[in-house]
Amino acid sequence: DAGVIQSPRHEVTEMGQEVTLRCKPISGHNSLFWYRQTMMRGLELLIYFNNNVPIDDSGMPEDRFSAKMPNASFSTLKIQPSEPRDSAVYFCASEPGGGKGETQYFGPGTRLLVL
Amino acid sequence: GNSVTQMEGPVTLSEEAFLTINCTYTATGYPSLFWYVQYPGEGLQLLLKATKADDKGSNKGFEATYRKETTSFHLEKGSVQVSDSAVYFCALSDPRNNDMRFGAGTRLTVKP
Repeated sequence: DAGVIQSPRHEVTEMGQEVTLRCKPISGHNSLFWYRQTMMRGLELLIYFNNNVPIDDSGMPEDRFSAKMPNASFSTLKIQPSEPRDSAVYFCASEPGGGKGETQYFGPGTRLLVL
Repeated sequence: GNSVTQMEGPVTLSEEAFLTINCTYTATGYPSLFWYVQYPGEGLQLLLKATKADDKGSNKGFEATYRKETTSFHLEKGSVQVSDSAVYFCALSDPRNNDMRFGAGTRLTVKP
């Protein structure tokens, strides 16, 4: 199994530009999570999906952030417009989704720098 | 709500020293407890887990016991190696709603 795949691995963009981060979960996993990691705030859950449906998006910082999961094998996190304070490492994780304290499997992350 | 509090770092040890990283939790139900490890430039990966009280999770010489009476899940290793240098995250998952909570992370540096 290839594990959780994220792209791009690194992204450098200018303030005001749109940024799209992509994630392919492990095949057969029903739950998908987006996290943001910074030195100041640590690891923050942004949103998670169960069976492609957003369950909890209370961690999404503001309307500039949006996430979609059009099918079981693909999800995107979009920032529009981006700001320097969005600079962070964004992780996607998937979970089998049995709802019984399952292990999450993390992707390698996308390191985003907004200038 | 559910939450996890773990020992603040950074922690610096010499090789072969004993390691303890404290973790306590607050939960309304019966969560599963985890330790994840993050090596430089990588995502988090599961180190060990325990799903019910008194369970002991173990992996790569690390151990943690689910203590319901003290709401704790402290991570221990008897003899650390330089390769154990990483950031360690304590986490809980509420099986009722898939709510996953991570601690702030503890950076461990092991010196030769």
